[in-house]
Amino acid sequence: NAGVTQTPKFQVLKTGQSMTLQCAQDMNHNSMYWYRQDPGMGLRLIYYSASEGTTDKGEVPNGYNVSRLNKREFSLRLESAAPSQTSVYFCASSPEAGYGYTFGSGTRLTVV
Amino acid sequence: GQQLNQSPQSMFIQEGEDVSMNCTSSSIFNTWLWYKQDPGEGPVLLIALYKAGELTSNGRLTAQFGITRKDSFLNISASIPSDVGIYFCAGQLRSRDDKIIFGKGTRLHILP
Repeated sequence: NAGVTQTPKFQVLKTGQSMTLQCAQDMNHNSMYWYRQDPGMGLRLIYYSASEGTTDKGEVPNGYNVSRLNKREFSLRLESAAPSQTSVYFCASSPEAGYGYTFGSGTRLTVV
Repeated sequence: GQQLNQSPQSMFIQEGEDVSMNCTSSSIFNTWLWYKQDPGEGPVLLIALYKAGELTSNGRLTAQFGITRKDSFLNISASIPSDVGIYFCAGQLRSRDDKIIFGKGTRLHILP
């Protein structure tokens, strides 16, 4: 089925380790987003890419980097993981910036 | 940054009851969206509203775009067990190029 695919689904990291969360969409959408979800905080935007070749910071970008590899793929990298980055991470895409988003099923990350 | 105030934060209801939740903002929005998140999944778009005063239904769900453009509500009639989850309101400030801002969610619990 068409949609947004995130890998991995679960990950445990030690403080200081690095990792990359992968996201791919097969709907030919132009815009892609990374959110984190924490209890009581709702969905907070980390980074977004309005179109291929562009990326911009969202509300909580510190400690993260992103790469829009091509139109389909948008990755999120944690260079040196910290316990405060324990969260559920969601990737989303939309036909164009601001249009209704389609979300992936999330990556549950624990940093110990 | 801009915030949406979503209430209530959580609700405990009996199966078969009607549910009402709302979202307010200090700023004018051009688009209001309502999403539902099932446990362990990403949010899924339920209803999109594009005009002040607009009332839209999707099965047992009804949402309205407030006439002041600063609020929206979602009603669920005759709740069933699969309605359990987190409901998010979301809005766009001005143009279609604006990112979507999410509320913190209303967690719906249904008592047997």
